Amino acid sequence: SAVISQKPSRDICQRGTSLTIQCQVDSQVTMMFWYRQQPGQSLTLIATANQGSEATYESGFVIDKFPISRPNLTFSTLTVSNMSPEDSSIYLCSVDLFAGTGSTDTQYFGPGTRLTVL
Amino acid sequence: AQKVTQAQTEISVVEKEDVTLDCVYETRDTTYYLFWYKQPPSGELVFLIRRNSFDEQNEISGRYSWNFQKSTSSFNFTITASQVVDSAVYFCALSEAGKLIFGQGTELSVKP
Repeated sequence: SAVISQKPSRDICQRGTSLTIQCQVDSQVTMMFWYRQQPGQSLTLIATANQGSEATYESGFVIDKFPISRPNLTFSTLTVSNMSPEDSSIYLCSVDLFAGTGSTDTQYFGPGTRLTVL
Repeated sequence: AQKVTQAQTEISVVEKEDVTLDCVYETRDTTYYLFWYKQPPSGELVFLIRRNSFDEQNEISGRYSWNFQKSTSSFNFTITASQVVDSAVYFCALSEAGKLIFGQGTELSVKP
């Protein structure tokens, strides 16, 4: 596996502001992912962040609202822009690690960032 | 479209009981991968197991066991002799082109 950290672990923000969440991995990885987990719900993929190219967003998520940076193979940021109470969620990053011969990579997750928007 | 269904929203058991969490999936792919993750109250997502579609052998890891049946598109998870520390939300997931599709999760509560 890998050691994945996220900052901040939690935050309370005002409506209309923006928050940048950082994700750091202790090894170089090709693919990083950002997920949102709304209260009491499952995880939904926001985007895939590959180093050296623009992030690929899933249906329902746009770059203006969730800009992503991937400056190197161990780091990524997700910004939640112009926040509203509906953005209150846990945001998790994950990385794709090779899990052994003949198998697909396995995603390992960071501890998450709990965001509350007032 | 690919889909994962965890029909059990909440399960409550008493410590030392065995409990099975159900997972049914839909996919048109012939090669695919299934996963189980545990999310304790702290919120982090903990990887438990990965299974590929060519390997229908059941797996056991301590008190945990998994039953994969392609004929019924199911990948069920059994905890034997449950403990209070097993209390968490458990997610089943299916991979699609490297992306994970999660079920809705089953919240397991183990009471002393």
